[in-house]
Amino acid sequence: EDQVTQSPEALRLQEGESSSLNCSYTVSGLRGLFWYRQDPGKGPEFLFTLYSAGEEKEKERLKATLTKKESFLHITAPKPEDSATYLCAVQAWGNFNKFYFGSGTKLNVKP
Amino acid sequence: DGGITQSPKYLFRKEGQNVTLSCEQNLNHDAMYWYRQDPGQGLRLIYYSQIVNDFQKGDIAEGYSVSREKKESFPLTVTSAQKNPTAFYLCASSNRTNTEAFFGQGTRLTVV
Repeated sequence: EDQVTQSPEALRLQEGESSSLNCSYTVSGLRGLFWYRQDPGKGPEFLFTLYSAGEEKEKERLKATLTKKESFLHITAPKPEDSATYLCAVQAWGNFNKFYFGSGTKLNVKP
Repeated sequence: DGGITQSPKYLFRKEGQNVTLSCEQNLNHDAMYWYRQDPGQGLRLIYYSQIVNDFQKGDIAEGYSVSREKKESFPLTVTSAQKNPTAFYLCASSNRTNTEAFFGQGTRLTVV
């Protein structure tokens, strides 16, 4: 069964303290892995798509990487405005009508 | 601006009532989706549609219904058969190749 597990559930960082969020997935043929940012009471905002192992994408302080079993979202020198819930989703080749979402990592960056 | 518009932002439903959530997109996307989000859980797929006049049940379709009469619109009806409807509902769309999905701002439904 296709599934996505994100860890940790919550992460508290001091401003400037770099860290990584993990997304482990089990899927029968990965078509794409997606990272989103979600602010409280808002819809998810698209960040990155990764398609194959070894691929990396960067945007400001965020960098997403992908292996055959997991993806990491690295946050370098975070600022308080990076506080949000980060969601990971996967799409399988055999069933690309569906996006399977993890339950997210809630990030809190303190000044 | 191109995007997905959900309305209303907040909705209150009495026991036994049906309510309809609106979702409109001007991205010219073929595929549209409805998800439900509960605290501490991932998004769960309710219904999806790949083309006009066609839609498929997702993982938690019981108690919900949809229609897709226009490419731009994909309304969701929460029926009285849905036993626990209080949740945050998200509409999304993606292009024909079904790459990344883009989301609306959500509707928070509360049963009173």
